[in-house]
Formats: sequence, C-alpha cells, structure tokens
Amino acid sequence: DAGITQSPRYKITETGRQVTLMCHQTWSHSYMFWYRQDLGHGLRLIYYSAAADITDKGEVPDGYVVSRSKTENFPLTLESATRSQTSVYFCASSYSGGEYYEQYFGPGTRLTVT
Amino acid sequence: EDKVVQSPLSLVVHEGDTVTLNCSYEVTNFRSLLWYKQEKKAPTFLFMLTSSGIEKKSGRLSSILDKKELFSILNITATQTGDSAIYLCAVVTGTASKLTFGTGTRLQVTL
Repeated sequence: DAGITQSPRYKITETGRQVTLMCHQTWSHSYMFWYRQDLGHGLRLIYYSAAADITDKGEVPDGYVVSRSKTENFPLTLESATRSQTSVYFCASSYSGGEYYEQYFGPGTRLTVT
Repeated sequence: EDKVVQSPLSLVVHEGDTVTLNCSYEVTNFRSLLWYKQEKKAPTFLFMLTSSGIEKKSGRLSSILDKKELFSILNITATQTGDSAIYLCAVVTGTASKLTFGTGTRLQVTL
C-alpha cells in the first residue's frame, strides 16, 4: 500500500529493554521525521533525516537512536526504555526541505513502558 | 528557543456556531505556518501559509497569517460534529523543514 506506515501500532515493554519502532514510506520522500506526542507538550521532534545516511537531532533526542540506510525506512530505537518514554510516536515524511512541502504523518505507535 | 502558542486550549460549541482558533509564534528563521487536524489518529494537513494577508480557504475552513504580528487564525464556520478534533498549529523553521508545534486546541462540537 502506498503511504507511510508504522509498526507496531501498540507496544508494551519493560523498563530497560531495547525497543525499535519502524517507519516505512512509499513516496520516496527525502525527509523523514520522528515525533512524540504527550499531553501538555503537543508534538515534539525527536530526530529527523534529510536523506539516507543523514540524520540530525531534534528537540528531545536523549535516549533515542535512529538510522536511515534506505530512503524508505527510518527506524527509531529506544536503547534502554524508561517510563518517561511512554508516549505516542509519530513518523512523518516530506518531499523535500523548504517551506513549501507539508509533512505527512503515519498512524502512530502507542508505546507503554512499565 | 522557538515557541508556538495556541489558544484557547479547549473549546465546546454548538453545531452551527463559528469558531476562531488562534496561533502565535516566536521563532527564528520562519519559513511557513501549517495547520493540522487530529482526530483519534495521525494529524492530517489542512493549510500551509507562507505570505501575510492571503486567506487560504477550504470549504467551511479558512486561515490567514500575519507575519508582522506573528500570528495566524483558523476559522471554522457552521461547525459540525465531524469538526470535533484537536487542531494543531506548527511553524516551519530553517532549511530542514523542522516543525515546531503548539500544544493544540481541542474543539468539541455538540448537537
């Protein structure tokens, strides 16, 4: 299917475990983004990528790792999950940089860290 | 630090009412402002505004940007229950299309 997909959609994990959230897009968009959404904070940027093998930190990168070996995939890894990382995670993509290209969002992954 | 503030935080109106949602911003290297609608899933794109004073319109929704006063408004006329959602304002800054979001306005439209 065309578009942007995320997996899993729901995940429960324990404190200290490593967990990877997957994001896949079929539009060949250059830019991809990871956000977390929490009550009272709105959406906050974790990491973004301008192209394969190019990534950069966003507003709240601590505790997260990303990679982008292929244009279409942008996985987000929590190396040692903490309860404060319980959140809804959205992946997004954009055709290009600049102000004329809106971001399209995936359906989200609800992560609970116990 | 870039900052986007939305008001009100939440709003309850009756079907048929007109509502105005506000978004003010303080950012460096402003590129554009976007409005998204979020129901119980991913945000969906509504408008992108880059120039002051030019209204964008889609059906009952319209939006305008004031780059001098650093704010935007989103108007919804003749509201319907299907308009119930969180409305997010985001500002694009820099060359990497980084979005800074406001916390959103939760709109509830009742019968």
